[in-house]
Amino acid sequence: NAGVTQTPKFRVLKTGQSMTLLCAQDMNHEYMYWYRQDPGMGLRLIHYSVGEGTTAKGEVPDGYNVSRLKKQNFLLGLESAAPSQTSVYFCASSSSGGPYEQYFGPGTRLTVT
Amino acid sequence: SQQGEEDPQALSIQEGENATMNCSYKTSINNLQWYRQNSGRGLVHLILIRSNEREKHSGRLRVTLDTSKKSSSLLITASRAADTASYFCASHQGGGKLIFGQGTELSVKP
Repeated sequence: NAGVTQTPKFRVLKTGQSMTLLCAQDMNHEYMYWYRQDPGMGLRLIHYSVGEGTTAKGEVPDGYNVSRLKKQNFLLGLESAAPSQTSVYFCASSSSGGPYEQYFGPGTRLTVT
Repeated sequence: SQQGEEDPQALSIQEGENATMNCSYKTSINNLQWYRQNSGRGLVHLILIRSNEREKHSGRLRVTLDTSKKSSSLLITASRAADTASYFCASHQGGGKLIFGQGTELSVKP
């Protein structure tokens, strides 16, 4: 099993450009999450999903959109990138029955210039 | 901010010594989890302690939980250079979401 995979691993964007980050998991997990990690800030939840077709806002959702059209995939979109979105983005998944141990992808390092 | 706090932010020890990291959280929890992150990698789950437990062991890891003080600690005994990483606590408060602390950066010198 590959676990949780993320595409791409690195990306450089210019301000105002858009992009989509793809997360895929092969563990049949119901729950999926997108976090951003900035130096000294730990992980902050952007959006999450508790099942196919459902999404919800986390702690820092502004400037991002998400979609969960298939159970195994969770997409994070940046419509108009800003330098403040320079960060490392992590996707994670967990089963729905608790205790909600999360499995993380390797991360995507995004730089917005 | 919803984030919990971890203490210390950085810890440097010699191989063979014990490392203790502390975590505080803000609201009542269902469980508290500890994760490890090697440089440039994703987080990996280490151990989970439920709200009705006070102590849990897994190999060289010992976790304690004091719900009255809303705090937890992670002890790594007989540390090794390979334990060098960042360690994060995460509190589960319901709804499948975790609230992560800001992490402790552990450096174990050979």
